[in-house]
Amino acid sequence: GAVVSQHPSRVICKSGTSVKIECRSLDFQATTMFWYRQFPKQSLMLMATSNEGSKATYEQGVEKDKFLINHASLTLSTLTVTSAHPEDSSFYICSARVPRDREFSGANVLTFGAGSRLTVL
Amino acid sequence: GNSVTQMEGPVTLSEEAFLTINCTYTATGYPSLFWYVQYPGEGLQLLLKATKADDKGSNKGFEATYRKETTSFHLEKGSVQVSDSAVYFCALSDRNNAGNMLTFGGGTRLMVKP
Repeated sequence: GAVVSQHPSRVICKSGTSVKIECRSLDFQATTMFWYRQFPKQSLMLMATSNEGSKATYEQGVEKDKFLINHASLTLSTLTVTSAHPEDSSFYICSARVPRDREFSGANVLTFGAGSRLTVL
Repeated sequence: GNSVTQMEGPVTLSEEAFLTINCTYTATGYPSLFWYVQYPGEGLQLLLKATKADDKGSNKGFEATYRKETTSFHLEKGSVQVSDSAVYFCALSDRNNAGNMLTFGGGTRLMVKP
């Protein structure tokens, strides 16, 4: 249980186009989702916190107009990379907080999507 | 602010060797601590966690003990297998942070050779 599905898993696009990545909680409601970017040396960077029905909260240094986040329902958050450039090529991962009755004990736990690898030519 | 520091990789071991991946943290509150694993081509999976001092998290032969006195959460496994080859991330969640966000270490790549 508590599964997050991310789509597409891989996408290749031309420079200047926009790409949308979807993050869905399949069997639970997620009022908050998080978007991470994974750089080539394996470090993870939190990009933004996506809140259902309100604007996303972006981390410092993340361009809001470049990375559009929409959390229109309790089970779906989308990340749109607008006017993509080769430097946007990366692995993007979403996550959602697991409901307390799904945790295997105690603290706040996040469940992650499988990630989306974006390659901009 | 919160931070997590992991030993840099890659860590290369032979099958059945003993594994330790060091992780230390800095937090303003009383964090919960996690180890996540990322297998090649996949997303992150929770490996184990500990919510308070002296707790030991364990799963799939991996263990880590929450050491408040040394602010550490080192990952150990007595006998690694080739299938353990992956990137391992140490992370913390600060209960004082209402956003439930995780702060990650930089990740440590483990390569196990047959």
